[in-house]
This record gives sequence, C-alpha cells and structure tokens, in this order.
Amino acid sequence: AQTVTQSQPEMSVQEAETVTLSCTYDTSESDYYLFWYKQPPSRQMILVIRQEAYKQQNATENRFSVNFQKAAKSFSLKISDSQLGDAAMYFCAYRKGSGGGADGLTFGKGTHLIIQP
Amino acid sequence: DTGVSQNPRHKITKRGQNVTFRCDPISEHNRLYWYRQTLGQGPEFLTYFQNEAQLEKSRLLSDRFSAERPKGSFSTLEIQRTEQGDSAMYLCASSLAPSRETQYFGPGTRLLVL
Repeated sequence: AQTVTQSQPEMSVQEAETVTLSCTYDTSESDYYLFWYKQPPSRQMILVIRQEAYKQQNATENRFSVNFQKAAKSFSLKISDSQLGDAAMYFCAYRKGSGGGADGLTFGKGTHLIIQP
Repeated sequence: DTGVSQNPRHKITKRGQNVTFRCDPISEHNRLYWYRQTLGQGPEFLTYFQNEAQLEKSRLLSDRFSAERPKGSFSTLEIQRTEQGDSAMYLCASSLAPSRETQYFGPGTRLLVL
C-alpha cells in the first residue's frame, strides 16, 4: 500500500521569507501523481500544486514550487515570499496513475504552517 | 457558486442514531469521492463513484456506512447506528475522469456523535 509521510507537524516562517515543507512517499508504481493541498482554518481544502511522476520538470505555480526527487521518493513544497494568507494546514497527497483501481488520494498527516508577521 | 457543496455543514447526533449527508459535485464532473478526516489527521479515502456506479470502497467503509449516487449527480452518505468513533469531518470531492484529473473538495460536514 502507498504511504505518504510528512515529518514536520508544524513549521513557522517570517512573512516575506521562504519556507520548505517536506514530504516523502512510498510506492512501487511508476505512474502516479503528487499533490499539495492547503486547508485554511475552517475552510475547504484547495489544490496548491500538482506533479505528474513522468515529468522531470518540477511544477511551479507563482510563489509555490516543488522539488520532486523521484528516485528518493521525495516531494517538497517551497513557498517563496510567504504571506499571512498562506497560514494553513498543508497536506501532501499521492494518487496512482490510470490503469484501474485505487483512484482515491492518499494523504499525509499534514504540516501546520504559521506565518509570523 | 459552481464549486462542490455539502449539506449539512454541521451535525450533532446521539449514539445509535442514523445520519445522512449530501454532496453536490461540480456540475460537469462525473467522479465523486468521499473522505473522512479526524482531528489532526489527513483525509482518508472512503469510496468513489463514476457516474452512478460505485467503483471502489475502502476497508474503512464498514457495513454501517452506505453511499449512493442514484442519478450520477449528487451523492448521499448514510451512517447507521452511529458510534462516537464516527465523529469526524466528512469530505466530498469531485473530478472529471480520467484519473489524472484534479479532485476538488467541498467544505465538509462535521459530525459529532454524543
């Protein structure tokens, strides 16, 4: 079974600085997708960024970028120029690629990101 | 608002009672997912539908849980004979097929079983 591990229960960063959230995963599949979701307090989960395993290029969305190391099974999220609105729980998630079955996401336990003004 | 909606947003019930939650997906999405999230944990997959067909069920989905999507649009999740351990946030998500498409989440229904 696939597992996703987020080893940082909580991270704190000064506003305008850069922070990196860690995620490792375990799978025997070669075709899969990785995601970072953000869950603000009492608000719904929204997608931050996604990465297809077959793509070597790291995904980037504005201030958010990932460092995808397929061989190491590592998928970290870098947030540049942190803003107060970035404060939330961040979840790393894995999903098997197409090919039948196992369509649900497997999530890590999350990292609580605190932004210090 | 064209996002995923869930009702009710909060539910308090007594142990042993039955509860039903509703999820309305994004209108053109043919896949619908249910997850459960307990305090301090990430969401855990329960089940998913493609149109009206329930294609996968997690081992977390005990016999007391049943989900339906009768017309391939909205879905309901029913929990019979609720237990205190059922207290959690129940999240619904929807997506387009195939699997590479992103899942979009609703706000969730928070269940408290007394």
